[in-house]
Amino acid sequence: NAGVMQNPRHLVRRRGQEARLRCSPMKGHSHVYWYRQLPEEGLKFMVYLQKENIIDESGMPKERFSAEFPKEGPSILRIQQVVRGDSAAYFCASSPSPGSPTGELFFGEGSRLTVL
Amino acid sequence: KNQVEQSPQSLIILEGKNCTLQCNYTVSPFSNLRWYKQDTGRGPVSLTIMTFSENTKSNGRYTATLDADTKQSSLHITASQLSDSASYICVVSHFNDYKLSFGAGTTVTVRA
Repeated sequence: NAGVMQNPRHLVRRRGQEARLRCSPMKGHSHVYWYRQLPEEGLKFMVYLQKENIIDESGMPKERFSAEFPKEGPSILRIQQVVRGDSAAYFCASSPSPGSPTGELFFGEGSRLTVL
Repeated sequence: KNQVEQSPQSLIILEGKNCTLQCNYTVSPFSNLRWYKQDTGRGPVSLTIMTFSENTKSNGRYTATLDADTKQSSLHITASQLSDSASYICVVSHFNDYKLSFGAGTTVTVRA
């Protein structure tokens, strides 16, 4: 049973380009979270999705950022017209049952975006 | 105000020594409290998970305690090794909800 898979692990973009980060949750997990982490800082919540639904996107900038979790395929975090301030590590986590006392929560290894 | 506060922010210990990290939370009611270890450049890895009815949970040299009355948890590292150098993150799940509250983490540096 593979863990949470994120790709690419490293991505370099020039200002104004688009970045697409993918996350395949663990098998059986239908809940996905995206977090951003700046160097030397903690994880900051961006968005929480279930299959085909965005449940909470309160941590995601209203402009240029979007996320989806289609019925088939990975969850995608899309950043349009990237700026230098978007440079960060983006982590995905998946869970089969958030809020459950024994609910698992597993993180991927992250995608590191560098904007030149 | 953050619902999960961790202390200290960072600490340095000598190899072989013990240390204890603290996590105070205000999330109520909560489902579980997790401790994660995050190595530099890697994703967080779960160390322990405790429900409100559990007081202690061990994973090798890592022992977590939980006092649900005072809303405090600690992570004790015994006989530290160089590989314990990492950030340790306390995460509290809200009961019957998807919300997670993260602490800012404690950075542990183990020196030979």
